[in-house]
This record gives sequence, structure tokens and C-alpha cells, in this order.
Amino acid sequence: AQSVSQHNHHVILSEAASLELGCNYSYGGTVNLFWYVQYPGQHLQLLLKYFSGDPLVKGIKGFEAEFIKSKFSFNLRKPSVQWSDTAEYFCAVNAGNQGGKLIFGQGTELSVKP
Amino acid sequence: DAGITQSPRYKITETGRQVTLMCHQTWSHSYMFWYRQDLGHGLRLIYYSAAADITDKGEVPDGYVVSRSKTENFPLTLESATRSQTSVYFCASSERGNTIYFGEGSWLTVV
Repeated sequence: AQSVSQHNHHVILSEAASLELGCNYSYGGTVNLFWYVQYPGQHLQLLLKYFSGDPLVKGIKGFEAEFIKSKFSFNLRKPSVQWSDTAEYFCAVNAGNQGGKLIFGQGTELSVKP
Repeated sequence: DAGITQSPRYKITETGRQVTLMCHQTWSHSYMFWYRQDLGHGLRLIYYSAAADITDKGEVPDGYVVSRSKTENFPLTLESATRSQTSVYFCASSERGNTIYFGEGSWLTVV
């Protein structure tokens, strides 16, 4: 079965530190890839997505992600985090044979210390 | 632009009772989804629907029933609530393969 793995369950950083959150998926065909963010007490919001083209995609709030097909990875990065980035981050995959379904990773909780 | 609205937002119910969580979207998206979010499990798909009158099971469908008589509505029913169904439930919608948009969630506590 297809799956999505996020390697870091909880990451703690100081402000201005760089961030990289790992995401790997197991599906070998065409995929659409997403990162969602969930701020405390709120619903999920789209951070960025990759459908095709340039494997380096830029999202909102200075986030970017790189799709590496050979590694089945879609890691999220931000060069300098802020306290307001404290949230939970979810990687998700829509595989070509799964209709409209998104399969989510378990999430990574990011805590940024001021 | 209302997007997706869920109701109720907060609910406390007793074990064995039937509970229905409502979901309404204004975008005429084909796909609608119900996810539950639990600590340590991320989001797990309960049921989804590709169109009106078409529904399919997700990862954790047991104990839940859905229907989709109209494109814009996708209610989720817990036929006989159990404590293990205490969770946050998110409804979502999309067009196939495209961005999924989430509702604000329904916090359900089963006592």
C-alpha cells in the first residue's frame, strides 16, 4: 500500500535557524505532492504543491520544497524560521491511481523558540 | 465565498448514541473527504466521495456511514459512538488530483 513517511516527529529550533523537514513516499508512478501547515487550533492550510515542471517549488511564507523523483522525496525547507512558524506540518501525496485521495504523513510538530 | 463549513464545531456525546457531522461546500467540487486527526496518527481518511451518490471507504471506515445525495453535502454519521471515536474530524473537498481544501474541523468527544 502507498504510504508517506515524515522522519521528524518533533523539531525544536531557535528563531533564524534553517529548517528542513523530510518526506518520503512509496508510490512509484505519477504523483502530486503537497505540504500543508496546521497552526495551533486551526485547520490545515496549503503551504505549497508540486504537480509537474520545476522540481523546486516555492510556497507561502518563504517555504520551498524540492521534489527528487529518484529518492521519492519531497523535503520542505525554509532558510530562516520565525516564532510564527510554530505549527504542525503535513506532507501529503496524491497518487495517479488513487483518484482524488490524499495520503498524509504523520506530521511534524515544529516548535520555534523566540 | 464560504468554502467548506462543518457543523457542529464542538460536540460531546455519550457512548452508543448516533452522531452526524455535517459538511457543506460551495465550490461544486467533485471530491469530498472525511479525515480524522489523532495524536500520533496524523490524518487518516475515513470515507471519500468522487461525485454525488458515489462513496468509497478510506483507511479507517469502521463505525462510520456516509452519504452524498447532493454534490455540496457530505454528512458523516457515527451509528453508535464509541470512545475510540473521540477525535477531530475534518471535511475536505477538491477536484481530482488538485489541491484539497479543508474545513475548520469538528471536535467530537465521546464519554
